[in-house]
Amino acid sequence: NAGVTQTPKFQVLKTGQSMTLQCAQDMNHEYMSWYRQDPGMGLRLIHYSVGAGITDQGEVPNGYNVSRSTTEDFPLRLLSAAPSQTSVYFCASSSHGNQPQHFGDGTRLSIL
Amino acid sequence: GENVEQHPSTLSVQEGDSAVIKCTYSDSASNYFPWYKQELGKRPQLIIDIRSNVGEKKDQRIAVTLNKTAKHFSLHITETQPEDSAVYFCAASKPDKLIFGTGTRLQVFP
Repeated sequence: NAGVTQTPKFQVLKTGQSMTLQCAQDMNHEYMSWYRQDPGMGLRLIHYSVGAGITDQGEVPNGYNVSRSTTEDFPLRLLSAAPSQTSVYFCASSSHGNQPQHFGDGTRLSIL
Repeated sequence: GENVEQHPSTLSVQEGDSAVIKCTYSDSASNYFPWYKQELGKRPQLIIDIRSNVGEKKDQRIAVTLNKTAKHFSLHITETQPEDSAVYFCAASKPDKLIFGTGTRLQVFP
């Protein structure tokens, strides 16, 4: 099993560009989430989904969109990249919200 | 919403000593409390978790305690080893929303 797969691993964008961070899991998990990790601030929840067709906002949702059309995929879209969105982004999945989260390897994103 | 505070932000111990990391949470509806270890440049990985109907849980050198009344929980690592050096995160969850603390950088010196 691949677990949780995130692509790309690294990305550099210019301010104002848009892009989609991909996340896929092969464990048939219902729950998926996106976090951003900044130095000294831990992992902050951006958006989460409890199943296909259902998404909700986390702690820091502004500037990001998500959709969940299938159980396997949970892409994160940056609509108009800003330098404040420079961060490491982690996708995670679990069978349920109150179960151990399986994290992907992360995407390191730099916005110039 | 839920807020999780974690202390200390850094912790240095001698190999063989114990380490304790403490967290407090704000939402009394939270009922699941995992701990994650993150090595430099790697993904967070679960090391232990506890649910609100349990006061303490142990796994070899690692233990977690939960005080629901005071809304705090702690990670205890005994007989620390250099490979325990990492950043540790606590988290609190009511169903569907897992909120993390800001992390503790643990350094274990030989």
